Amino acid sequence: DAKTTQPTSMDCAEGRAANLPCNHSTISGNEYVYWYRQIHSQGPQYIIHGLKNNETNEMASLIITEDRKSSTLILPHATLRDTAVYYCIVRVAGFNAGNMLTFGGGTRLMVKP
Amino acid sequence: EAQVTQNPRYLITVTGKKLTVTCSQNMNHEYMSWYRQDPGLGLRQIYYSMNVEVTDKGDVPEGYKVSRKEKRNFPLILESPSPNQTSLYFCASSSWRDTQYFGPGTRLTVL
Repeated sequence: DAKTTQPTSMDCAEGRAANLPCNHSTISGNEYVYWYRQIHSQGPQYIIHGLKNNETNEMASLIITEDRKSSTLILPHATLRDTAVYYCIVRVAGFNAGNMLTFGGGTRLMVKP
Repeated sequence: EAQVTQNPRYLITVTGKKLTVTCSQNMNHEYMSWYRQDPGLGLRQIYYSMNVEVTDKGDVPEGYKVSRKEKRNFPLILESPSPNQTSLYFCASSSWRDTQYFGPGTRLTVL
């Protein structure tokens, strides 16, 4: 799986959009970009994933650059409950290699009042 | 409600005393796995199962056993726990669509 690079930490004001970047310059053509988050010591939670088109669901939007070497997760109206560590993961979709998710360091997002 | 449950949520035990952490999912998922999370090391996969009676080792299987006799259950067994197995454990499940759902975690302390 391709390696990802994320900022260690970010702050965001409550009610504002949180934009979390991820670099994945070695991504392969069949690899998807997944985002998970982990609120303190809870189980990781799936947020969104995409291949090359921008994606949106009830939680967030995912913007992938045209060359697919980077992406941005957008939380449109961050709340205090969005304070968590956000993980960007690049991998081939479907069962493979034990379906293991490789969680890097992630970005610690602090939403402040 | 679709969910993955783990029991117990917290456990303090002593070295060598066999224990089992249960994991159950109600989504009819084929795939289940166990991870451990340690400070500075992230989540590491212990074992996984692609379906009933099909299990395989992950990155850190030593000291652990698993079984998959039913689709919904995937217990993690520590035959002889040691202090280096003190950790936060997560069970996860997914269908072929690959979105993984994680349980709430089991915090294990081995004295």
